[in-house]
Amino acid sequence: AQSVAQPEDQVNVAEGNPLTVKCTYSVSGNPYLFWYVQYPNRGLQFLLKYITGDNLVKGSYGFEAEFNKSQTSFHLKKPSALVSDSALYFCAVRDSSASKIIFGSGTRLSIRP
Amino acid sequence: DTGVSQDPRHKITKRGQNVTFRCDPISEHNRLYWYRQTLGQGPEFLTYFQNEAQLEKSRLLSDRFSAERPKGSFSTLEIQRTEQGDSAMYLCASSLGPGASGGYTFGSGTRLTVV
Repeated sequence: AQSVAQPEDQVNVAEGNPLTVKCTYSVSGNPYLFWYVQYPNRGLQFLLKYITGDNLVKGSYGFEAEFNKSQTSFHLKKPSALVSDSALYFCAVRDSSASKIIFGSGTRLSIRP
Repeated sequence: DTGVSQDPRHKITKRGQNVTFRCDPISEHNRLYWYRQTLGQGPEFLTYFQNEAQLEKSRLLSDRFSAERPKGSFSTLEIQRTEQGDSAMYLCASSLGPGASGGYTFGSGTRLTVV
């Protein structure tokens, strides 16, 4: 079975500061990991993915994520937060042998000016 | 192709009525997924199609729910005898293959309110 956990319901960061949104996962095979962002009344937008290769993955809007196999984590990061980054962020995982992506419960990111 | 389209964007219905939602995926995508998202939660998998075949259904998909994808193009999700607990955002997504290379492309969703 596959599962994903986002331990923080909300993360608050001042504009210009670095941000981290945490994610841990559990799969039986090799993990395919994703981050999505959701703005109010909108669908989910793909940010970045890890399939294989470098543990540090770069994505859209200056976001990056670090895959850590020993800690089964895939934390989302950005060196300098913008107010426009305020949104709901979802981590997602798919086992390499599975057919569907499973989403975490989401973390609301709030960037204050 | 501009992406995944869902219709309607919003639907308000009385308890006990039937509703049907439509999803038009990206034309070259052979896989289509339905998810349900309640307020403050992550999307929950409902079902998916590969071409016209419905290959997996979640236990969340009670017998009041039915999904089709005739001819492997657009898909419909019907809810019969709606209940207040069905109120949620229904999201459709599509992908080429399992979606490992780039995840899924999501539509903007249909927000259902059952009163």
